[in-house]
Amino acid sequence: EAGVVQSPRYKIIEKKQPVAFWCNPISGHNTLYWYRQNLGQGPELLIRYENEEAVDDSQLPKDRFSAERLKGVDSTLKIQPAELGDSAVYLCASLRSPTSFTGELFFGEGSRLTVL
Amino acid sequence: QQQVKQSPQSLIVQKGGISIINCAYENTAFDYFPWYQQFPGKGPALLIAIRPDVSEKKEGRFTISFNKSAKQFSLHIMDSQPGDSATYFCAASRSRRDDKIIFGKGTRLHILP
Repeated sequence: EAGVVQSPRYKIIEKKQPVAFWCNPISGHNTLYWYRQNLGQGPELLIRYENEEAVDDSQLPKDRFSAERLKGVDSTLKIQPAELGDSAVYLCASLRSPTSFTGELFFGEGSRLTVL
Repeated sequence: QQQVKQSPQSLIVQKGGISIINCAYENTAFDYFPWYQQFPGKGPALLIAIRPDVSEKKEGRFTISFNKSAKQFSLHIMDSQPGDSATYFCAASRSRRDDKIIFGKGTRLHILP
């Protein structure tokens, strides 16, 4: 079974430029998460999808961040314009969404963003 | 608002020793406490998890000890090996589908060969 796939793995941009990250979750996993992990910190939730519906986007900076999961499968996270403080690793994770929550998130390898 | 406090930030242990990482939580509604392991350049992966109806869970060399009254839980790695060198995150959540997992800030563990 293929794991969570993210691209690109690395991205270097200048501030004020746009950037987009793509995630393909494990097949059959209905719940998809985007986390941001700053250097030396734990992952912090940005947005959570149940199928194509964003059910928790309270931590997403909506002035510059946007996300979509149009067909309830893969997802894109966009930042426009990027700021220096956006430098971080953006992690995508998925969960099958069983009736009994097990808490095991399957993470991708992340997309490391450096804003110059 | 940090709801899961993890310590220490970094830890160095001799090969064969016991590594101990501690976490404390605030929200008494939390009822699921996983530990994730992350190697450089990789995403976190679930290592072991516990629910508060038991005080200890052991899987191989990894043990979670849970103290509900103190709102604390810890990860013990017995016979620590160089391959255990990684960053470890404790986490907490409520076992409802609409709840997110709150992660601690992580502990960088280095096992000396």
